[in-house]
Amino acid sequence: AQSVAQPEDQVNVAEGNPLTVKCTYSVSGNPYLFWYVQYPNRGLQFLLKYITGDNLVKGSYGFEAEFNKSQTSFHLKKPSALVSDSALYFCAVRAGGATNKLIFGTGTLLAVQP
Amino acid sequence: GAVVSQHPSWVICKSGTSVKIECRSLDFQATTMFWYRQFPKQSLMLMATSNEGSKATYEQGVEKDKFLINHASLTLSTLTVTSAHPEDSSFYICSARFSGVEAFFGQGTRLTVV
Repeated sequence: AQSVAQPEDQVNVAEGNPLTVKCTYSVSGNPYLFWYVQYPNRGLQFLLKYITGDNLVKGSYGFEAEFNKSQTSFHLKKPSALVSDSALYFCAVRAGGATNKLIFGTGTLLAVQP
Repeated sequence: GAVVSQHPSWVICKSGTSVKIECRSLDFQATTMFWYRQFPKQSLMLMATSNEGSKATYEQGVEKDKFLINHASLTLSTLTVTSAHPEDSSFYICSARFSGVEAFFGQGTRLTVV
């Protein structure tokens, strides 16, 4: 069965410091991996995706993520955090092929302190 | 990216009444849309897959007679919560896919049943 784990409920980082939000996955076949961000009482905004190709993918707002097949991980990173990055971040996976369903992790609250 | 619009953003209704939530793809056609439910500080739970011109596919444990889904056109899916009760209070989010593999989400609907 497909699953996504986000081991940290919350990540605290000081503004200007690098940030990492962790995600590991379990899926049969080649995974499609995604990161989304959610601000309070809003829907999810797409940040980036990995389908195939280069393991380091760049996305919106300066975020990037590294696909690591051997560790089945897809951690979200940003070199320098902003206070405005504070939000809830979701990792999601979908198996390749005809499967359409997205499986979400439990979410990680990122708090960036000024 | 593609735009998905959800309406209303929030609604308060009395116990026993029905509430309709609309999800529209504004600049693309979506044969498939997805409805999620999100509890406070929790991840998104897929409720059903809405298919244009056919019956929705419900996830296990979701009452199809309570959560009526209609996908009558390629740009509109509706979720009707029938005979709402306080336990139905939640944040409901829809999504659709454009040409790529990533999903785009509506802004969500906060339903409060009193």
